[in-house]
Amino acid sequence: GAGVSQSPSNKVTEKGKDVELRCDPISGHTALYWYRQSLGQGLEFLIYFQGNSAPDKSGLPSDRFSAERTGGSVSTLTIQRTQQEDSAVYLCASSQTWTGEAFFGQGTRLTVV
Amino acid sequence: KQEVTQIPAALSVPEGENLVLNCSFTDSAIYNLQWFRQDPGKGLTSLLLIQSSQREQTSGRLNASLDKSSGRSTLYIAASQPGDSATYLCAVYNTDKLIFGTGTRLQVFP
Repeated sequence: GAGVSQSPSNKVTEKGKDVELRCDPISGHTALYWYRQSLGQGLEFLIYFQGNSAPDKSGLPSDRFSAERTGGSVSTLTIQRTQQEDSAVYLCASSQTWTGEAFFGQGTRLTVV
Repeated sequence: KQEVTQIPAALSVPEGENLVLNCSFTDSAIYNLQWFRQDPGKGLTSLLLIQSSQREQTSGRLNASLDKSSGRSTLYIAASQPGDSATYLCAVYNTDKLIFGTGTRLQVFP
């Protein structure tokens, strides 16, 4: 596609439910990032995928968070047993190489009620 | 641990002014540096990427410089316009992740 695509754009869920957020990177981009942006805050790194290498999960805030990247393309971020503090905008980015220009999607706004 | 700071945090200027936004980082061992803009409720739009071997990059009215040894980058916006109003973020590439500053919120009024 022309850019990084994220779905859904908005998600409202009840506390305790699981949610899946999807990211379609730019075709051919080997690097994929997930970030979280809470209201009025900066970007918090969550996880990084590069090609077939093991992902860098060092930013995941708890074991309720997990992510996978299938076939080196689409990525899914899963949050289990959602909590109100998980409410934020989740942003995905991809780049052609691991230090190349990063392009961001429009984000998924998650609200936990 | 890499820390990225942006000054000022907010800036309000009349249309037509030339602006300088500052970004500083504590660890000079970076690979690249990228500037983004973020409009309210939107994702990030890439403005400029500066390779670690470069000292500056230009795109239209934007010019970004990089001084790795002193841990600083500046984004220069010439002849500012109301459409430039947004939050500007710098990010450095450290090992395997982009580390972001907290941004400068710019408002350009007519």
